[in-house]
Amino acid sequence: NAGVMQNPRHLVRRRGQEARLRCSPMKGHSHVYWYRQLPEEGLKFMVYLQKENIIDESGMPKERFSAEFPKEGPSILRIQQVVRGDSAAYFCASSPPSDGSSYEQYFGPGTRLTVT
Amino acid sequence: AQSVSQHNHHVILSEAASLELGCNYSYGGTVNLFWYVQYPGQHLQLLLKYFSGDPLVKGIKGFEAEFIKSKFSFNLRKPSVQWSDTAEYFCAVKRNTGKLIFGQGTTLQVKP
Repeated sequence: NAGVMQNPRHLVRRRGQEARLRCSPMKGHSHVYWYRQLPEEGLKFMVYLQKENIIDESGMPKERFSAEFPKEGPSILRIQQVVRGDSAAYFCASSPPSDGSSYEQYFGPGTRLTVT
Repeated sequence: AQSVSQHNHHVILSEAASLELGCNYSYGGTVNLFWYVQYPGQHLQLLLKYFSGDPLVKGIKGFEAEFIKSKFSFNLRKPSVQWSDTAEYFCAVKRNTGKLIFGQGTTLQVKP
């Protein structure tokens, strides 16, 4: 069973360009979470999605950031008009439908975004 | 503000030393608690978790953690560390919708 997959692993963008980060959850998982890790900081929650639905976007910046998890295909985190402050590691995690005490989020390897 | 705090940002130990990493949270009510580890160049892996029951939780690789409700703490311990335990350790609390709130992380360096 393949783990959570993220691509690209490294992404370099110039200021003002768009960044698209992809996340394929583990097989059978219908819940996807995105987190951002800025240098010298812990992971910060951004958004929680289920298929075709945004459940919690309380951690998403109000502008330039969007996320989707379509019925088919990977989840996409999109950052428009990137700025240097967007440089960070972006992690995706997935989980199966909630099953009480067995709850666990499985993390992908992350995408390291560098804005030049 | 509600948060998760890890007191030690950087810990250096010799092999066979005992380890304790502090974690405090400020959320009330029922909490679900986790410790994740990130080895160099790898993704986050779950070490252990607490949902209910015995407050002393045993995880993988000889790690354990104790949930002390009165102190809002969930400290991670290992009696004898190995060089291979060198990694970054994150404490996290699960919130209502399922999102995890992480502490800022502790970098552990074990000297051979």
